[in-house]
Amino acid sequence: KAGVTQTPRYLIKTRGQQVTLSCSPISGHRSVSWYQQTPGQGLQFLFEYFSETQRNKGNFPGRFSGRQFSNSRSEMNVSTLELGDSALYLCASRGTGSETQYFGPGTRLLVL
Amino acid sequence: GESVGLHLPTLSVQEGDNSIINCAYSNSASDYFIWYKQESGKGPQFIIDIRSNMDKRQGQRVTVLLNKTVKHLSLQIAATQPGDSAVYFCAEKWGAQKLVFGQGTRLTINP
Repeated sequence: KAGVTQTPRYLIKTRGQQVTLSCSPISGHRSVSWYQQTPGQGLQFLFEYFSETQRNKGNFPGRFSGRQFSNSRSEMNVSTLELGDSALYLCASRGTGSETQYFGPGTRLLVL
Repeated sequence: GESVGLHLPTLSVQEGDNSIINCAYSNSASDYFIWYKQESGKGPQFIIDIRSNMDKRQGQRVTVLLNKTVKHLSLQIAATQPGDSAVYFCAEKWGAQKLVFGQGTRLTINP
């Protein structure tokens, strides 16, 4: 079974721009969660989607948003980028009835 | 507040020795815990998990121990190999499916 895939793998943006990241979960997984990883703050939960509905949200500003499509693929969007948004953005998927989240390789975002 | 901490940020062991990575968690209501391994340039890779109704679980060369009395979690890796070099994270589940991660321990295997 293919793992979680994320695109793009690397991205460079400038302050004020917006960015959209994509995540395709493991086939059959309907839950997708997003995390931000930085050297200073570590891994922090952004939000979780299940069947196109956001079920849980972390403590991030409204500039961070996401959505999930009927095929369980998910996107997250960051608007009005700030330098501090530079991070590795990780997506994880989980099968129904399972607690285990499987992570993708991440998208490394650099904001200049 | 939310916090899952690690006692040691770095750990260096000899190849073939056993490694023990420790983790303290804060939410006494957490019912699920998980360990991940992250190699440079990659996403976290699932190692092993444990529910709060257990105190020990074994996998291939790895064992997770859970002590709910002192809110402590540990990962034991037997006969460490060079490929075990990575950063190891513990995480606890808060609420529905939110994982709260520790800061990570960097494990280095010396030949």
